[in-house]
Amino acid sequence: RKEVEQDPGPFNVPEGATVAFNCTYSNSASQSFFWYRQDCRKEPKLLMSVYSSGNEDGRFTAQLNRASQYISLLIRDSKLSDSATYLCVVLSTLRGNNRLAFGKGNQVVVIP
Amino acid sequence: GAGVSQSPSNKVTEKGKDVELRCDPISGHTALYWYRQSLGQGLEFLIYFQGNSAPDKSGLPSDRFSAERTGGSVSTLTIQRTQQEDSAVYLCASSLELAGDFLFTDTQYFGPGTRLTVL
Repeated sequence: RKEVEQDPGPFNVPEGATVAFNCTYSNSASQSFFWYRQDCRKEPKLLMSVYSSGNEDGRFTAQLNRASQYISLLIRDSKLSDSATYLCVVLSTLRGNNRLAFGKGNQVVVIP
Repeated sequence: GAGVSQSPSNKVTEKGKDVELRCDPISGHTALYWYRQSLGQGLEFLIYFQGNSAPDKSGLPSDRFSAERTGGSVSTLTIQRTQQEDSAVYLCASSLELAGDFLFTDTQYFGPGTRLTVL
Protein backbone atom coordinates (compact mmCIF):
# COMPACT_ATOMS: atom_id res chain seq x y z
CA ARG A 1 0.00 0.00 0.00
CA LYS A 2 1.32 3.44 -0.90
CA GLU A 3 2.16 5.74 1.97
CA VAL A 4 -0.07 8.50 0.62
CA GLU A 5 -2.96 7.86 -1.76
CA GLN A 6 -5.00 10.30 -3.78
CA ASP A 7 -7.63 9.87 -6.48
CA PRO A 8 -5.93 11.52 -9.47
CA GLY A 9 -9.24 12.59 -11.06
CA PRO A 10 -9.53 14.79 -13.03
CA PHE A 11 -12.13 16.65 -11.02
CA ASN A 12 -14.05 18.77 -13.51
CA VAL A 13 -15.64 21.62 -11.60
CA PRO A 14 -17.95 24.34 -12.96
CA GLU A 15 -16.72 27.80 -12.17
CA GLY A 16 -18.20 28.98 -8.89
CA ALA A 17 -18.90 25.49 -7.60
CA THR A 18 -17.39 23.75 -4.61
CA VAL A 19 -15.03 20.81 -4.92
CA ALA A 20 -13.62 18.60 -2.19
CA PHE A 21 -11.24 15.69 -2.19
CA ASN A 22 -9.47 13.48 0.30
CA CYS A 23 -6.08 11.98 0.73
CA THR A 24 -5.42 8.89 2.84
CA TYR A 25 -2.17 8.02 4.55
CA SER A 26 -0.97 4.69 5.88
CA ASN A 27 1.37 5.61 8.73
CA SER A 28 -0.69 6.24 11.84
CA ALA A 29 2.32 7.95 13.43
CA SER A 30 2.43 10.64 10.76
CA GLN A 31 3.07 14.00 12.32
CA SER A 32 2.34 16.82 9.93
CA PHE A 33 0.26 17.30 6.83
CA PHE A 34 0.30 19.75 3.97
CA TRP A 35 -1.41 20.58 0.72
CA TYR A 36 0.81 21.73 -2.14
CA ARG A 37 -0.37 23.09 -5.47
CA GLN A 38 1.40 22.20 -8.69
CA ASP A 39 0.63 23.83 -12.00
CA CYS A 40 1.36 21.96 -15.19
CA ARG A 41 5.12 21.56 -15.65
CA LYS A 42 5.80 23.86 -12.73
CA GLU A 43 7.28 23.27 -9.31
CA PRO A 44 5.03 22.53 -6.31
CA LYS A 45 4.16 25.40 -4.03
CA LEU A 46 2.86 25.19 -0.51
CA LEU A 47 -0.86 25.93 -0.37
CA MET A 48 -1.50 25.35 3.31
CA SER A 49 -0.55 23.25 6.30
CA VAL A 50 -3.28 21.09 7.83
CA TYR A 51 -3.90 21.37 11.54
CA SER A 52 -5.76 18.98 13.80
CA SER A 53 -8.50 21.51 14.44
CA GLY A 54 -8.95 22.19 10.73
CA ASN A 55 -8.01 25.45 9.14
CA GLU A 56 -9.27 27.84 6.54
CA ASP A 57 -7.50 30.21 4.19
CA GLY A 58 -9.91 32.23 2.11
CA ARG A 59 -11.82 29.87 -0.15
CA PHE A 60 -9.71 26.89 0.93
CA THR A 61 -10.50 24.68 3.92
CA ALA A 62 -8.33 21.80 5.07
CA GLN A 63 -9.25 19.17 7.61
CA LEU A 64 -7.49 16.27 9.28
CA ASN A 65 -9.14 13.07 10.48
CA ARG A 66 -6.53 11.10 12.43
CA ALA A 67 -8.92 8.28 13.36
CA SER A 68 -9.61 7.49 9.72
CA GLN A 69 -6.19 8.66 8.54
CA TYR A 70 -7.20 11.11 5.90
CA ILE A 71 -6.95 14.79 5.17
CA SER A 72 -9.26 16.78 2.98
CA LEU A 73 -9.20 19.95 0.94
CA LEU A 74 -12.30 21.90 0.03
CA ILE A 75 -12.31 24.73 -2.48
CA ARG A 76 -15.33 27.04 -2.47
CA ASP A 77 -16.42 29.36 -5.28
CA SER A 78 -13.94 27.78 -7.70
CA LYS A 79 -12.03 30.13 -9.99
CA LEU A 80 -10.50 29.26 -13.34
CA SER A 81 -7.12 29.97 -11.75
CA ASP A 82 -7.69 27.13 -9.28
CA SER A 83 -7.07 24.63 -12.09
CA ALA A 84 -4.00 22.71 -10.95
CA THR A 85 -2.91 19.51 -9.31
CA TYR A 86 -3.20 19.47 -5.53
CA LEU A 87 -0.58 17.33 -3.81
CA CYS A 88 -1.16 15.81 -0.41
CA VAL A 89 2.04 15.69 1.63
CA VAL A 90 2.59 13.81 4.86
CA LEU A 91 5.54 14.01 7.25
CA SER A 92 6.29 10.72 8.94
CA THR A 93 9.04 9.16 10.96
CA LEU A 94 10.19 5.83 9.64
CA ARG A 95 12.95 3.87 11.39
CA GLY A 96 14.06 7.01 13.16
CA ASN A 97 14.28 9.09 9.99
CA ASN A 98 11.94 11.93 9.13
CA ARG A 99 10.72 12.07 5.59
CA LEU A 100 8.05 13.62 3.46
CA ALA A 101 5.74 11.46 1.39
CA PHE A 102 3.84 12.96 -1.50
CA GLY A 103 0.62 11.72 -3.07
CA LYS A 104 0.30 11.71 -6.85
CA GLY A 105 -2.11 14.60 -6.65
CA ASN A 106 -5.72 15.45 -7.36
CA GLN A 107 -6.08 17.17 -10.72
CA VAL A 108 -8.68 19.92 -10.66
CA VAL A 109 -10.03 21.46 -13.86
CA VAL A 110 -12.33 24.43 -13.40
CA ILE A 111 -14.65 24.83 -16.37
CA PRO A 112 -16.10 28.21 -17.41
CA GLY B 1 14.12 38.24 -4.22
CA ALA B 2 15.86 35.39 -5.99
CA GLY B 3 14.29 31.98 -5.58
CA VAL B 4 15.78 28.55 -5.81
CA SER B 5 17.59 28.04 -9.07
CA GLN B 6 18.62 24.84 -10.75
CA SER B 7 20.83 24.04 -13.67
CA PRO B 8 20.69 22.81 -16.28
CA SER B 9 16.98 23.15 -16.96
CA ASN B 10 17.15 20.27 -19.40
CA LYS B 11 19.69 17.51 -19.78
CA VAL B 12 19.73 14.78 -22.38
CA THR B 13 22.37 12.13 -21.90
CA GLU B 14 23.24 8.70 -23.14
CA LYS B 15 22.81 5.63 -21.01
CA GLY B 16 25.95 4.95 -18.99
CA LYS B 17 27.12 8.56 -18.79
CA ASP B 18 27.45 10.49 -15.54
CA VAL B 19 25.42 13.65 -14.94
CA GLU B 20 25.65 16.39 -12.37
CA LEU B 21 22.68 18.52 -11.39
CA ARG B 22 23.09 21.77 -9.54
CA CYS B 23 20.88 23.58 -7.05
CA ASP B 24 21.32 27.09 -5.70
CA PRO B 25 19.06 27.55 -2.70
CA ILE B 26 17.61 30.79 -1.46
CA SER B 27 20.32 32.74 0.30
CA GLY B 28 20.30 32.08 4.02
CA HIS B 29 18.30 28.86 3.82
CA THR B 30 20.01 26.20 5.88
CA ALA B 31 17.94 23.24 4.72
CA LEU B 32 18.03 21.86 1.20
CA TYR B 33 16.06 18.97 -0.29
CA TRP B 34 16.23 16.91 -3.47
CA TYR B 35 13.17 15.25 -5.03
CA ARG B 36 12.47 13.30 -8.18
CA GLN B 37 9.23 13.35 -10.17
CA SER B 38 8.87 10.67 -12.79
CA LEU B 39 6.19 10.70 -15.48
CA GLY B 40 2.92 9.53 -13.98
CA GLN B 41 4.46 9.18 -10.54
CA GLY B 42 4.26 11.27 -7.42
CA LEU B 43 7.02 13.36 -6.01
CA GLU B 44 9.72 11.14 -4.52
CA PHE B 45 11.90 12.44 -1.73
CA LEU B 46 15.60 11.66 -2.21
CA ILE B 47 17.75 13.41 0.38
CA TYR B 48 17.95 16.51 2.53
CA PHE B 49 20.80 18.60 3.88
CA GLN B 50 21.00 20.42 7.16
CA GLY B 51 23.87 22.77 6.46
CA ASN B 52 26.43 20.61 4.68
CA SER B 53 25.35 17.43 6.39
CA ALA B 54 23.00 14.79 4.96
CA PRO B 55 21.91 12.69 7.96
CA ASP B 56 19.83 10.23 5.99
CA LYS B 57 20.86 8.91 2.59
CA SER B 58 18.40 6.03 2.53
CA GLY B 59 16.06 7.81 0.12
CA LEU B 60 18.58 7.71 -2.71
CA PRO B 61 17.39 5.11 -5.26
CA SER B 62 20.74 3.37 -5.68
CA ASP B 63 24.44 3.74 -4.98
CA ARG B 64 24.79 5.41 -8.38
CA PHE B 65 23.22 8.50 -6.78
CA SER B 66 25.17 10.83 -4.54
CA ALA B 67 24.74 14.38 -3.35
CA GLU B 68 26.86 16.93 -1.66
CA ARG B 69 26.55 20.44 -0.40
CA THR B 70 29.38 22.85 0.19
CA GLY B 71 29.55 26.08 2.14
CA GLY B 72 25.99 25.58 3.29
CA SER B 73 24.82 26.77 -0.09
CA VAL B 74 25.10 25.10 -3.49
CA SER B 75 24.28 21.43 -3.77
CA THR B 76 25.01 18.96 -6.53
CA LEU B 77 23.22 15.71 -7.21
CA THR B 78 25.37 13.29 -9.19
CA ILE B 79 24.07 10.27 -11.03
CA GLN B 80 26.72 7.86 -12.24
CA ARG B 81 26.25 5.42 -15.10
CA THR B 82 22.78 6.76 -15.87
CA GLN B 83 20.00 4.35 -16.75
CA GLN B 84 16.79 5.03 -18.66
CA GLU B 85 14.76 4.69 -15.49
CA ASP B 86 16.63 7.71 -14.12
CA SER B 87 14.72 9.90 -16.59
CA ALA B 88 12.64 12.30 -14.52
CA VAL B 89 12.38 15.88 -13.34
CA TYR B 90 14.74 16.47 -10.44
CA LEU B 91 13.47 19.15 -8.09
CA CYS B 92 15.40 20.96 -5.42
CA ALA B 93 13.84 22.87 -2.55
CA SER B 94 15.16 24.91 0.33
CA SER B 95 13.76 26.13 3.60
CA LEU B 96 14.91 28.66 6.13
CA GLU B 97 15.68 26.24 8.88
CA LEU B 98 14.95 22.83 10.24
CA ALA B 99 12.58 23.30 13.14
CA GLY B 100 13.72 20.87 15.81
CA ASP B 101 12.40 17.34 15.45
CA PHE B 102 9.83 18.33 12.85
CA LEU B 103 12.37 18.76 10.17
CA PHE B 104 10.10 19.41 7.27
CA THR B 105 7.47 21.72 8.68
CA ASP B 106 9.13 24.89 7.50
CA THR B 107 7.89 26.07 4.13
CA GLN B 108 9.88 24.58 1.29
CA TYR B 109 10.49 26.67 -1.77
CA PHE B 110 11.01 24.66 -4.91
CA GLY B 111 13.25 25.38 -7.85
CA PRO B 112 12.05 24.93 -11.45
CA GLY B 113 13.65 21.51 -11.75
CA THR B 114 16.03 19.81 -14.13
CA ARG B 115 14.41 17.57 -16.73
CA LEU B 116 16.73 14.63 -17.25
CA THR B 117 16.28 12.37 -20.24
CA VAL B 118 18.44 9.27 -20.55
CA LEU B 119 18.46 7.82 -24.04
